[in-house]
Amino acid sequence: QKEVEQNSGPLSVPEGAIASLNCTYSDRGSQSFFWYRQYSGKSPELIMSIYSNGDKEDGRFTAQLNKASQYVSLLIRDSQPSDSATYLCAVNYGQNFVFGPGTRLSVLP
Amino acid sequence: SQTIHQWPATLVQPVGSPLSLECTVEGTSNPNLYWYRQAAGRGLQLLFYSVGIGQISSEVPQNLSASRPQDRQFILSSKKLLLSDSGFYLCAWRRQGERRYNSPLHFGNGTRLTVT
Repeated sequence: QKEVEQNSGPLSVPEGAIASLNCTYSDRGSQSFFWYRQYSGKSPELIMSIYSNGDKEDGRFTAQLNKASQYVSLLIRDSQPSDSATYLCAVNYGQNFVFGPGTRLSVLP
Repeated sequence: SQTIHQWPATLVQPVGSPLSLECTVEGTSNPNLYWYRQAAGRGLQLLFYSVGIGQISSEVPQNLSASRPQDRQFILSSKKLLLSDSGFYLCAWRRQGERRYNSPLHFGNGTRLTVT
């Protein structure tokens, strides 16, 4: 059974702070890892993808991957109230994608 | 650019009634297509995926079925809905032909189904 784990939250951070979201996965055969943002009542939208160990930066977002520890994280710098959403970690296994339960982030003005 | 259309946006159906949800993708050919369900406050559950016309893989045995009659059309059906079928149904596509591990899923806007 391939599993993806995330803290459900809610994670509350003040505006302008760094939000840190974490994800662990069970299968070492995974090749691709993705972070999606889902606003309440909406569908998930892709915000980051990462395939190699290390960091990948895109604007205020940084994804970090450690395959040895089976760990993926997402850092959001200068958090804004508009970042308040549920963040889903997804792991790709061949044709399938397994999603974590999501972490609800609340950025307080 | 690629777009994915999913309809209807919301649906209220009585228990025992049939269901048909449709999804189409534009701007790409031979995509991988997926149906996910998200129950209230829960994660995404993969229901079906397809790598080509007529090719359907089922992840969860239940009273739902899927079909892919055309390259960019994916249909989710049920003959008799159950209360437990309520949820947010999401269609997604993924590009084929590139290195597989580089291709993310792209979601449609979803259908919110309430079975009463």
